[in-house]
Amino acid sequence: DAGVIQSPRHEVTEMGQEVTLRCKPISGHNSLFWYRQTMMRGLELLIYFNNNVPIDDSGMPEDRFSAKMPNASFSTLKIQPSEPRDSAVYFCASSHPNSQIYEQYFGPGTRLTVT
Amino acid sequence: AQSVSQHNHHVILSEAASLELGCNYSYGGTVNLFWYVQYPGQHLQLLLKYFSGDPLVKGIKGFEAEFIKSKFSFNLRKPSVQWSDTAEYFCAVLSRGNYQLIWGAGTKLIIKP
Repeated sequence: DAGVIQSPRHEVTEMGQEVTLRCKPISGHNSLFWYRQTMMRGLELLIYFNNNVPIDDSGMPEDRFSAKMPNASFSTLKIQPSEPRDSAVYFCASSHPNSQIYEQYFGPGTRLTVT
Repeated sequence: AQSVSQHNHHVILSEAASLELGCNYSYGGTVNLFWYVQYPGQHLQLLLKYFSGDPLVKGIKGFEAEFIKSKFSFNLRKPSVQWSDTAEYFCAVLSRGNYQLIWGAGTKLIIKP
């Protein structure tokens, strides 16, 4: 298996622009997680889905952030409009909830820089 | 609310030194426990996990961790560290029946050659 796939790997954009991050979970995994990592705040869970349904989005910082999972093999995280404080590495992770261990597998991340 | 504490935010050791990174959690029920490692510029990778059974868990690259239920702890150990162990280490806890991992703040480990 290719593992969790994220694109793009790097994104540089100007403040005010829309940014869309993409994630393809491991095939067969039913849960998908979006995380943000910064030096100041560490690793933060933004939102997670189970069977394509958002279960907990309490970590989404504000209305500028939105996430969708239209099917079991694809999810997007959108920031509109973007701001410099959104600069971070965004990780997607997936897990198989039928496994009692619930181990999460992480993608390589998208490094977002908003200027 | 459930929480995970990693008391050491930064640890600096010399090569061949022994390592122990602390992890304590606050949840009284049955838990799954994880240690993840993040090498510089890379994503998080699973180092080891505890689900049930032997509380002493062996992981990759010579790491081990011991689950002590009475102390709500899952400390990570390695008898002799190498320069390549320089990374950030995250402890995480999952309560049974929940999908979310509760993460510690991470410990940055620097190994001096």
